This record gives sequence, C-alpha cells and structure tokens, in this order.
Amino acid sequence: EVQLVESGGDLVQPGGSLRLSCAASGFTVNSNYMSWVRQAPGKGLEWVSTIYHGGDTYYADSVKARFTISTDNSKNTLFLQMNSLRAEDTAVYYCARNYYVSSVYRNFFEYWGQGALVSVSS
Amino acid sequence: EIVLTQSPATLSLSPGERATLSCRASQSISSYVAWYQQKPGQAPRLLIYDASNRATGIPARFSGSGSGTDFTLTISSLEPEDFAVYYCQQRRTWPLTFGGGSKVEIK
Repeated sequence: EVQLVESGGDLVQPGGSLRLSCAASGFTVNSNYMSWVRQAPGKGLEWVSTIYHGGDTYYADSVKARFTISTDNSKNTLFLQMNSLRAEDTAVYYCARNYYVSSVYRNFFEYWGQGALVSVSS
Repeated sequence: EIVLTQSPATLSLSPGERATLSCRASQSISSYVAWYQQKPGQAPRLLIYDASNRATGIPARFSGSGSGTDFTLTISSLEPEDFAVYYCQQRRTWPLTFGGGSKVEIK
C-alpha cells in the first residue's frame, strides 16, 4: 500500500528556514516523479516543485532560488528545503507522487500525504 | 503561465442531480488537464486525467470531456459524498497550474 507521511511543519519567523520531509512506503521514491503542492488557509491549490527520477527539478517562480526539492534513497524520503521564508509561504504543504499510467509518468498527482502546516509569522 | 478559470464558483444541487463544472484555459492545453476532488481537512483526490480518463477506482458517474481551452467535469447523479470542492489542473507547460476551484454544495 502506498503511503506518504509528511513531517517538519512548524511556526517560523520571516526570513527563516525549514525542511519538510515526506516518508514514503509501498514504492521507491527515487524511481518515481515526486512533487510538493501547497494550499494557503482557505485558498486553492498551488504547485510548488517536482523532481523526476533522473534528478531533474522544477519550481514555481514564487519559490525558485529559495526552495530546494530532493530525495534520499536510503531513507526513501522526499524533502523540501525552504529558505528565506515569507508570510505568503504560509500553507499546508502536501507531498504527492505523480501519476504513472500506461508506462508513462504524467505531471498529475495520484497519491498525496496528509499535509504539513507551515506558518510564517513574527 | 497558463491560467485556468473555473466556473461556477459554487453550484447548489440536490443528491441525484447532475453537476456540470467548467474549466477554461488561457491558451490551448490540448487534453492535458486533470480534475481533483477535495473535502474539508483532506488531501485532494485525482478523479480524471488527460481530460477524459478516469483514474484508478473512480466511479463511472464522474466523466470528463473537452480539449484545447474548454473542459468539463460531469457528475451524472450526485451522491452525498460528492459534495466537495473540485479543481482542474494542467500539465501542458511549466509551471503546472490549478484552477481556483468550484464548490458543489447541497441545496
């Protein structure tokens, strides 16, 4: 059974840093496309970042140069390193496994974690 | 960036009725659109991928159609568990983008 469990959400001051983790089970993170999607309180969904199994990474303009997505094969875990945090980064952050169907990865999101709340405030 | 505009913002219907939700893209995205359902306090759930294909385990009452810039999610007969917020998302180009959502509420 595929499971994704996020951790690391916290209250942090503007300008601070935080690292989110997403522990996966039931599949190998490094063999899949993995993503982070966030949702500000009471708002819609916003894609944040995607990493391909070959290592290619993609970021939303709003987080580029501040956030870094990565994986650790030994821990079967996805990470999101968040630096220079701003109030507008306040959101629930979901990790997700991209959809794999008909032998093709698609940049849609099939499996989701329960979410980790990041609050940026002084 | 491709902007997805969903309508209506809110749809008030009764169980058993048909729901039709719209998603319009600011430029052509071929058939590269997905639909998700989200209930309060839960992560989204993938319903439809590539405009018209149901994801694994999704009931047949959910169907998607469209291509180019105009897409539709139809729920043929609303079940009590279908009252939720629905989002469309495109994968045609980076950045991946979502629509603002449509809420289907009980009338």
